[in-house]
Amino acid sequence: QSALTQPASVSASPGQSITISCIGTNSDIGDSKSVCWHQQFPGKAPKVIIYEVNKRPSGVSYRFSASKSGNTASLSISGLLPEDEAEYFCSSSTTSNSLVFGGGTKVTVL
Amino acid sequence: QVQLVESGGGVVQPERSLRLSCAASGFSFSNYAMHWVRQAPGKGLEWVAFISYDRSKEYYADSVKGRFTISRDNSQKTLYLQMNSLRLEDTAVYYCAKASGFDIQNWGQGTQVSVSS
Repeated sequence: QSALTQPASVSASPGQSITISCIGTNSDIGDSKSVCWHQQFPGKAPKVIIYEVNKRPSGVSYRFSASKSGNTASLSISGLLPEDEAEYFCSSSTTSNSLVFGGGTKVTVL
Repeated sequence: QVQLVESGGGVVQPERSLRLSCAASGFSFSNYAMHWVRQAPGKGLEWVAFISYDRSKEYYADSVKGRFTISRDNSQKTLYLQMNSLRLEDTAVYYCAKASGFDIQNWGQGTQVSVSS
């Protein structure tokens, strides 16, 4: 199963909005309700910030939102803050009973 | 709150075995499926294995199929990963994760496995 495709890096100034794309196929994102986004700081464990395509766990800021269209999932961060600087990974279940991750996107707050 | 604590990592020679454990607390462990996911140094996340809440379903990544076995003891609230015939490329931080369906809901803090001669 090939990894989902994410941009390697995205940068923006504080207060701006960014969107990270996650491109898959008909065998994963296109056929899945189990699309998640994970935030990871250096040296730390990942944390789930989006599950089931667009749901936020309790405690995750409303500034994080997500959607899916066809084979592409997207994560948006509005009102960018310095503490949003982290790496973000998407994941999706697949039709072959596996889980596949994106390669990760490093978000830099300028 | 949900706590997942991995243990059992360490330095091991190629072709040797290691068993990882993940102690769960703060939720009804026997009602949830679980995953193992790993992250090689400086790399992204790689899914390793999945087990259903009742052990009826087990799924593996092609890279570990036939070498790794996921299991669980619901009475002990513990998840395991038996890793045999270890290779250099299995070096990674191994995370256990609580799942709802296939969605990861919570991550553990990870345990380091280093395969080196």
